[in-house]
Amino acid sequence: DTGVSQNPRHKITKRGQNVTFRCDPISEHNRLYWYRQTLGQGPEFLTYFQNEAQLEKSRLLSDRFSAERPKGSFSTLEIQRTEQGDSAMYLCACGLSDTQYFGPGTRLTVL
Amino acid sequence: DAKTTQPNSMESNEEEPVHLPCNHSTISGTDYIHWYRQLPSQGPEYVIHGLTSNVNNRMASLAIAEDRKSSTLILHRATLRDAAVYYCILRDPPPIIPLGNEKLTFGTGTRLTIIP
Repeated sequence: DTGVSQNPRHKITKRGQNVTFRCDPISEHNRLYWYRQTLGQGPEFLTYFQNEAQLEKSRLLSDRFSAERPKGSFSTLEIQRTEQGDSAMYLCACGLSDTQYFGPGTRLTVL
Repeated sequence: DAKTTQPNSMESNEEEPVHLPCNHSTISGTDYIHWYRQLPSQGPEYVIHGLTSNVNNRMASLAIAEDRKSSTLILHRATLRDAAVYYCILRDPPPIIPLGNEKLTFGTGTRLTIIP
């Protein structure tokens, strides 16, 4: 499978816990994006990497959120001290030119 | 970012053509029109994009109005697998990098239901 993979697919956690999601993009796609999607809404941009450099962050990305792409390949998104409002689908996408390729997402439920 | 307006929902019969409209009256001269769709329980997938001329690919056709203030995504023969939320997105032109790969700004899209 040469598509974008995300793990885990589902995560249930208690409020206040930390969670980390992983995204494995398509090989050689130097651009990587994280989006968040809540029920009934379209995805919202969170952050963007070009290779290992994080070039843009949305104001949605509070200081409890951190994303890394240490070797310019896979990426992780960590949420510290989760809140119920963090419950959403977290989508990763990658790209090389005009098109973005999305993974299946990680659904986070914060109880 | 220039905004798009789409109907919240549409229905179509299976094996019939579907025309999904999008209004973007504030589009700038360099904005590309992109369409993505999101099938249930999946991430969005690219459908098609264009600038001024109509475009065709194996998935769909994109008809762009002459004044570029609106566009229509055309599925020539809808199947049950085309049931999805369809997003019309304007891409900001990159200021420096020739090939755009900026973030996508999604609206709420059009939920397409296919009736068997």
